[in-house]
Amino acid sequence: GIQVEQSPPDLILQEGANSTLRCNFSDSVNNLQWFHQNPWGQLINLFYIPSGTKQNGRLSATTVATERYSLLYISSSQTTDSGVYFCAVERGGGADGLTFGKGTHLIIQP
Amino acid sequence: NAGVTQTPKFQVLKTGQSMTLQCAQDMNHNSMYWYRQDPGMGLRLIYYSASEGTTDKGEVPNGYNVSRLNKREFSLRLESAAPSQTSVYFCASIPLANTEAFFGQGTRLTVV
Repeated sequence: GIQVEQSPPDLILQEGANSTLRCNFSDSVNNLQWFHQNPWGQLINLFYIPSGTKQNGRLSATTVATERYSLLYISSSQTTDSGVYFCAVERGGGADGLTFGKGTHLIIQP
Repeated sequence: NAGVTQTPKFQVLKTGQSMTLQCAQDMNHNSMYWYRQDPGMGLRLIYYSASEGTTDKGEVPNGYNVSRLNKREFSLRLESAAPSQTSVYFCASIPLANTEAFFGQGTRLTVV
């Protein structure tokens, strides 16, 4: 099956810092999503981004499908950004489910 | 519009007991999924239902069964729970293939 690798696995930053999270995948995909899992375990959709660039407030994402990677940018970090960030992908064809990476655990210190 | 609703939120089972995790979505989505999440891991697909009346195995189906009762509901059954099934279980749905997925709030299951 398709492999999804996220880096770094852990990241500790001070409030106000910027960060870049990376997602590499081993095959072409028709679906790529970024999720934030908050400390209460809830999975929150951040971006649906199989290609191109999107921005939502302090967060933005870029997927370069031809080179099989996606980047999530967080600017001016806040403590509420803490949690685990997951990248998940799906290949073309049927609706056979997302394959998740192991996530980046982000801690924002005040 | 509640989105994806899972019940129960927490459950403790003894080894060998059975139970059913319930999932319902009110977004008229075609496809539904069950995932499990273990510490330090991403989510892994247990079973999915691409459309009403169909179900298929995912990456880790052993020890589980599913039922797509209707378009809204997709249940996951543990016939004889084992400690290795201690995990957090998430249900998800999507409207069409390769579109944005929506997740429930999860069920934390402990098997002792």
